Amino acid sequence: QKEVEQDPGPLSVPEGAIVSLNCTYSNSAFQYFMWYRQYSRKGPELLMYTYSSGNKEDGRFTAQVDKSSKYISLFIRDSQPSDSATYLCAMSAEGGSQGNLIFGKGTKLSVKP
Amino acid sequence: SAVISQKPSRDICQRGTSLTIQCQVDSQVTMMFWYRQQPGQSLTLIATANQGSEATYESGFVIDKFPISRPNLTFSTLTVSNMSPEDSSIYLCSVASAGGGEKLFFGSGTQLSVL
Repeated sequence: QKEVEQDPGPLSVPEGAIVSLNCTYSNSAFQYFMWYRQYSRKGPELLMYTYSSGNKEDGRFTAQVDKSSKYISLFIRDSQPSDSATYLCAMSAEGGSQGNLIFGKGTKLSVKP
Repeated sequence: SAVISQKPSRDICQRGTSLTIQCQVDSQVTMMFWYRQQPGQSLTLIATANQGSEATYESGFVIDKFPISRPNLTFSTLTVSNMSPEDSSIYLCSVASAGGGEKLFFGSGTQLSVL
């Protein structure tokens, strides 16, 4: 079993839809959870950051962490064509300062006008 | 967040040659990290570059293949040596947020294709 599992998609939704992206993980030591957005031919851009369990909201984006189920989610409300990108989940036990984030393979999202 | 610049943004290279990728950060950072993103695969940490000491390599990566320099607190280079088509990947430089931060930020990456 891989440490982090993420459905690669692709996922195609109409503009305005609610998007749900998910990752599961196996290492119970993970405490830092991140979502990155990566546009084609660009580096990953940090979108959401959560420490331990709970929810975090930032505009149209909501990140959820359920450590008991080893499951994290990213919700995008009122999705826009500009949200079309690959979304990567990442996590670690020590946080990014040590650099050793464990990434999912990414889910490719397409939002159709 | 730091501004991270990488050069070149992309390159096409011949088998057996080497390519050096440069990474410049707009602020001083203790550690810089080099990642590889192979097609259809997860981002994988290659090594950590500390100023004034040898880089620390992750399992499966060796200095002879991926030599790293870190001459100061804002700059690092990664060389991909004796390239083969299997080295075709995106190579990314990253730094952590200031103040011992837990967040990791990435440069725009170098798209490498080896023929």
